[in-house]
Amino acid sequence: AQSVAQPEDQVNVAEGNPLTVKCTYSVSGNPYLFWYVQYPNRGLQFLLKYITGDNLVKGSYGFEAEFNKSQTSFHLKKPSALVSDSALYFCASYGNNRLAFGKGNQVVVIP
Amino acid sequence: EAGVAQSPRYKIIEKRQSVAFWCNPISGHATLYWYQQILGQGPKLLIQFQNNGVVDDSQLPKDRFSAERLKGVDSTLKIQPAKLEDSAVYLCASSFDRGGNQPQHFGDGTRLSIL
Repeated sequence: AQSVAQPEDQVNVAEGNPLTVKCTYSVSGNPYLFWYVQYPNRGLQFLLKYITGDNLVKGSYGFEAEFNKSQTSFHLKKPSALVSDSALYFCASYGNNRLAFGKGNQVVVIP
Repeated sequence: EAGVAQSPRYKIIEKRQSVAFWCNPISGHATLYWYQQILGQGPKLLIQFQNNGVVDDSQLPKDRFSAERLKGVDSTLKIQPAKLEDSAVYLCASSFDRGGNQPQHFGDGTRLSIL
C-alpha cells in the first residue's frame, strides 16, 4: 500500500526565514510524489511533483522539494517565507491509480 | 484557462435529506475526480471517471452516494439519504488524462453541513 506521512501538525516560521514542511513516503516501486497548497475556503493548488530525474524539484511560488530515497522523504522548502505563504500544505503519493494525501500541515508565517 | 467550477459553494441540510453537487472540469480534461475532505484530514478519493466511464469507485459508499458523468464533461455527485458523518467539503478535480504524472486541478469545493 502506498501512503505519505506529515509528522507535524503546524509549522510556525518568521517572515523571511527558511520554511520546511516535512513528508515521508511509503511506496512500492518508483514513487510519484506531489505537493499541493490549500488556502482557506479554496481547493488545492498544485505546487510541484517528483516523477523521476533530479532529486531537487522546483515548483510554483518559489517552492522546491528534495527527494531523498535513502530517507524516504520529500520535504518542501522555501528559502524565504512570506506572510502570504500561510496555508495548509498537503503531500501526496500516486499509486494504485489514485492520489493518497497526507493529513496536511498548517503553515503560519509570522510577520 | 478557466478552472474547475463547482456549485453550490455551501449547502446545509438535515440528516436523511438528499443533496446534489455539480462540477464542470477544465475543458479538454478527460479524467474527473470527486474527493471528500473531512475537517483536519486530507482529501479522500470517492470516485474517478475517465471520459464518461467509472475507473475507480472502490471508496464510494454506494448505499447512499452516487455519481455520474453522462456526456463525459460535467458531473454530479448525489447523497441520499445524508448522514451526520457526511459533513465535509466535497472537492471536484480534473486532469488531462489518467496517470501519475498528471497534476490534478481542483475546484473550490462545496462545504456540506448536516444538521
